[in-house]
Amino acid sequence: NAGVTQTPKFQVLKTGQSMTLQCAQDMNHEYMSWYRQDPGMGLRLIHYSVGAGITDQGEVPNGYNVSRSTTEDFPLRLLSAAPSQTSVYFCASSYRDRGDTQYFGPGTRLTVL
Amino acid sequence: AQSVTQPDIHITVSEGASLELRCNYSYGATPYLFWYVQSPGQGLQLLLKYFSGDTLVQGIKGFEAEFKRSQSSFNLRKPSVHWSDAAEYFCAVVTNAGKSTFGDGTTLTVKP
Repeated sequence: NAGVTQTPKFQVLKTGQSMTLQCAQDMNHEYMSWYRQDPGMGLRLIHYSVGAGITDQGEVPNGYNVSRSTTEDFPLRLLSAAPSQTSVYFCASSYRDRGDTQYFGPGTRLTVL
Repeated sequence: AQSVTQPDIHITVSEGASLELRCNYSYGATPYLFWYVQSPGQGLQLLLKYFSGDTLVQGIKGFEAEFKRSQSSFNLRKPSVHWSDAAEYFCAVVTNAGKSTFGDGTTLTVKP
């Protein structure tokens, strides 16, 4: 198993550009989440999904879009990048219950100029 | 809405000393509670979790945590810290709907 994979590892964007952060898992997990991590602020939930076709907003959803067409993939789209979106982004997945362990990807470091 | 507070931003302990990291949560229903550890430049790894049963739970690397409902706390402990324990530690609560909220983290420094 590759676990949770994220691409790219690093990305630099200009203000106003759009892009998609990719996340995939091969563990047949139902739950998937996107977080951003900023210094001194821990992880903040952007969007999450409890199964294919089901998504919901987290704590900081503005400026981000998600869809979940398959169990394996959960891409995060930045619609019009802003400097405030400079952060490290983590994708995580867990089996099918809120008591299950979340497995985290290695992260994507995004800089918006 | 649920919340998690980790009151200590940074803790320094000597190698071999005991450790306690504090976590307080706010959630109206039965909480599902987790402790994760993050080494520099890495993703998070689960240390332990609690959602029912014995309120003292054992985790990996010699860590344990105690759930105290009356204090809304889930503090992490280790009797003897090793230099390799230096990392950032996060407490998290997961709601009935599967939504996770993390605390801001506690950075642990271990002195030789």
